[in-house]
Amino acid sequence: DAEITQSPRHKITETGRQVTLACHQTWNHNNMFWYRQDLGHGLRLIHYSYGVQDTNKGEVSDGYSVSRSNTEDLPLTLESAASSQTSVYFCASGGGRGGLDEQFFGPGTRLTVL
Amino acid sequence: AQSVTQLDSHVSVSEGTPVLLRCNYSSSYSPSLFWYVQHPNKGLQLLLKYTSAATLVKGINGFEAEFKKSETSFHLTKPSAHMSDAAEYFCVVSDYQTGANNLFFGTGTRLTVIP
Repeated sequence: DAEITQSPRHKITETGRQVTLACHQTWNHNNMFWYRQDLGHGLRLIHYSYGVQDTNKGEVSDGYSVSRSNTEDLPLTLESAASSQTSVYFCASGGGRGGLDEQFFGPGTRLTVL
Repeated sequence: AQSVTQLDSHVSVSEGTPVLLRCNYSSSYSPSLFWYVQHPNKGLQLLLKYTSAATLVKGINGFEAEFKKSETSFHLTKPSAHMSDAAEYFCVVSDYQTGANNLFFGTGTRLTVIP
């Protein structure tokens, strides 16, 4: 069955360190998205990609970067982790046909920055 | 710009009684609207979606929602709550009319089901 996976599921790091969160999907979707979830904010879009070599900034992109070298993967990098980036991160894929289709979500990565 | 407002951050119902989770949207265009559910420590799962077809949309697990353009609402209902319905529910709007594929999430409603 097709799926979307994230790793690691839990990560503790220190302020200033670089961190990369992995996202892998086997749906063969062109569109992939990264969100962060914080209490009182719902999910907020960090970065998104509509295809290989395409990346775009979302609502809360400062301090994050992504790259898309193939269809299956969209890793999220925190260049220099800050305590404000402690959150739960969700990767999603899908949402084609101009947003008419649903997005499929991974299980999430809980990141703690000390 | 697109946005959604979930009117209740927390709803508590007794098992077997009706569920009503309220959502109002703002959109410059005819929107696509979704309800997603998130069980504790899990990812999000689609419950149902509205994409300009029938205004009453049926989803999984007995949930349904009605699109009311005059009220800019898309409330989620279920006739009889089950313990397994306890979760966080998100109302979501898509800005597909602009050609993008992005979703805008409400802040969520936590549903508690009392035995």
